[in-house]
Amino acid sequence: ELKVEQNPLFLSMQEGKNYTIYCNYSTTSDRLYWYRQDPGKSLESLFVLLSNGAVKQEGRLMASLDTKARLSTLHITAAVHDLSATYFCAVGPTGANSKLTFGKGITLSVRP
Amino acid sequence: DSGVTQTPKHLITATGQRVTLRCSPRSGDLSVYWYQQSLDQGLQFLIQYYNGEERAKGNILERFSAQQFPDLHSELNLSSLELGDSALYFCASSTSGLAEEQYFGPGTRLTVT
Repeated sequence: ELKVEQNPLFLSMQEGKNYTIYCNYSTTSDRLYWYRQDPGKSLESLFVLLSNGAVKQEGRLMASLDTKARLSTLHITAAVHDLSATYFCAVGPTGANSKLTFGKGITLSVRP
Repeated sequence: DSGVTQTPKHLITATGQRVTLRCSPRSGDLSVYWYQQSLDQGLQFLIQYYNGEERAKGNILERFSAQQFPDLHSELNLSSLELGDSALYFCASSTSGLAEEQYFGPGTRLTVT
């Protein structure tokens, strides 16, 4: 059974500093997704990583995937208050089935 | 706005009742997914349909069922409701149901009293 772990589950960040959060998964996969969720809202797609070594950047966020280590990282550059939200990673099994298994999410809070 | 619509936004009902949640995918998307989000279980995949056919099944209870209609909208039916079924139910859609990203709807918050 595919398991997805995110750590830490909560991170208090200081404005202007850099941080990295992690997503580990338990079985072979070459599909990893990052989503953002604001309180009481839906999930917004941030990144789709579909191959080993994939790196994608959008604004202050950069995501990468290492399929050999079964690890994805989300790097935050110069945190700002607008980045406060819960970030989920989700992994899909290799193959045609696109069922996603989500981690528990990491809640980021940016303080001045 | 992802283009995925879900109705109703909120639903309050009593234990033992049956409810139907509705989802319309983005224009052009053939695949629909249902997820349940609760505090204790997190986000869990329930079921996927592609062009009217069931494609994948996750942790969906026997009391729950879903279908996708010829116009591609989907309905999730929850019956014999229990307090533990209270959760946020999301529908997502994607183009082909393979490895591309899924676009999530606003969700239906179900409260069972």
